[in-house]
Amino acid sequence: NAGVTQTPKFQVLKTGQSMTLQCAQDMNHEYMSWYRQDPGMGLRLIHYSVGAGITDQGEVPNGYNVSRSTTEDFPLRLLSAAPSQTSVYFCASSRGTGAFEQYFGPGTRLTVT
Amino acid sequence: ILNVEQSPQSLHVQEGDSTNFTCSFPSSNFYALHWYRWETAKSPKALFVMTLNGDEKKKGRISATLNTKEGYSYLYIKGSQPEDSATYLCAFYRQGNSGYSTLTFGKGTMLLVSP
Repeated sequence: NAGVTQTPKFQVLKTGQSMTLQCAQDMNHEYMSWYRQDPGMGLRLIHYSVGAGITDQGEVPNGYNVSRSTTEDFPLRLLSAAPSQTSVYFCASSRGTGAFEQYFGPGTRLTVT
Repeated sequence: ILNVEQSPQSLHVQEGDSTNFTCSFPSSNFYALHWYRWETAKSPKALFVMTLNGDEKKKGRISATLNTKEGYSYLYIKGSQPEDSATYLCAFYRQGNSGYSTLTFGKGTMLLVSP
């Protein structure tokens, strides 16, 4: 089991560029989430999905788009990158909510100049 | 906005010291409480998931308790070792606007254990 994988590990974008952060899991988990980690802010939920075809917004969704066409993949799209989106992004998956622990990917460090 | 508060923000102890951290959360509509350990340059890993008032969980030298009526959880580390150095995150499941529940994280307690 590879667990949760994320690509790329590092990325530098210019303001206004778009890109997709990839996330995949091989544990057949229904629930997947994207978080961003900023100094002093803790992990904040961007978007999440409770299964293929079902997504919803988290606490900080503006500027990001998601879709979930398969159980395995949950890409995060930055539509028009802004310096405020400089952050470390973590993807996580779990069997469900509540009593099920989340498994985190290794993270993507994004810098927007 | 739901608040999960963790204290202290950071802690520096000597090897062999025992220590504890606090996680406070709103006591209404409780669903589940998670603890994660996050080492530098790695990703968070689950320590405990607790769902029932009075739950106590233990893993080696680390244990946790849960009081859902008053909205707090304690994490204890007995005889801290340098390898315990990490940020400890508490997270609370809440019901989202769409009816699905989502995990809200506290800012963490950063523990440094000196040899």
